[in-house]
Amino acid sequence: DAGITQSPRHKVTETGTPVTLRCHQTENHRYMYWYRQDPGHGLRLIHYSYGVKDTDKGEVSDGYSVSRSKTEDFLLTLESATSSQTSVYFCATQGLGMGDGANVLTFGAGSRLTVL
Amino acid sequence: AQSVTQPDIHITVSEGASLELRCNYSYGATPYLFWYVQSPGQGLQLLLKYFSGDTLVQGIKGFEAEFKRSQSSFNLRKPSVHWSDAAEYFCAVGAANTDKLIFGTGTRLQVFP
Repeated sequence: DAGITQSPRHKVTETGTPVTLRCHQTENHRYMYWYRQDPGHGLRLIHYSYGVKDTDKGEVSDGYSVSRSKTEDFLLTLESATSSQTSVYFCATQGLGMGDGANVLTFGAGSRLTVL
Repeated sequence: AQSVTQPDIHITVSEGASLELRCNYSYGATPYLFWYVQSPGQGLQLLLKYFSGDTLVQGIKGFEAEFKRSQSSFNLRKPSVHWSDAAEYFCAVGAANTDKLIFGTGTRLQVFP
């Protein structure tokens, strides 16, 4: 399959438990991103990666960590989930280069996380 | 500070009516501008983008947007809305020398028959 696959698509967990969301891409894109989407806030960047083992923080990175050991996989980890992290999480990718594809994000279908 | 403002949280139109969704931005560099659409339960899909050149850009599904530098705006328009256009619409801004986009908070479009 081509594109971006997020897993799991839905997860319910309890406060204090660790959670890992996975993003897998087949586009060979260099850049990968994790966003969270909440009503009234739109999309907010959590972390992003500009290459294998190269990651950086976004605007809402507290409580989250990421890892990228392969070009195709970008993991988002909540070490100890809290109710404030209940959200829909989107992975996105962006290729390098100029022209029509430059700066264009391609999004996965999202992962809905509920923390009780 | 860099920001994107979508002043309308929710818009309701009748099918066949014209549509304009507003987007204003504040950005230090020459902006790249985008509109994305999100159908319920789905990820975001690119509608159109502006990098340079003609300030009126055409996108998919019959949408267009006009970049007005003097007004720091990039409003999205469609002459005749279809029921299938009901979705949430996001404006975003970036730049050639950055790898991150800034998104607005979105406008939810409802279409009545």
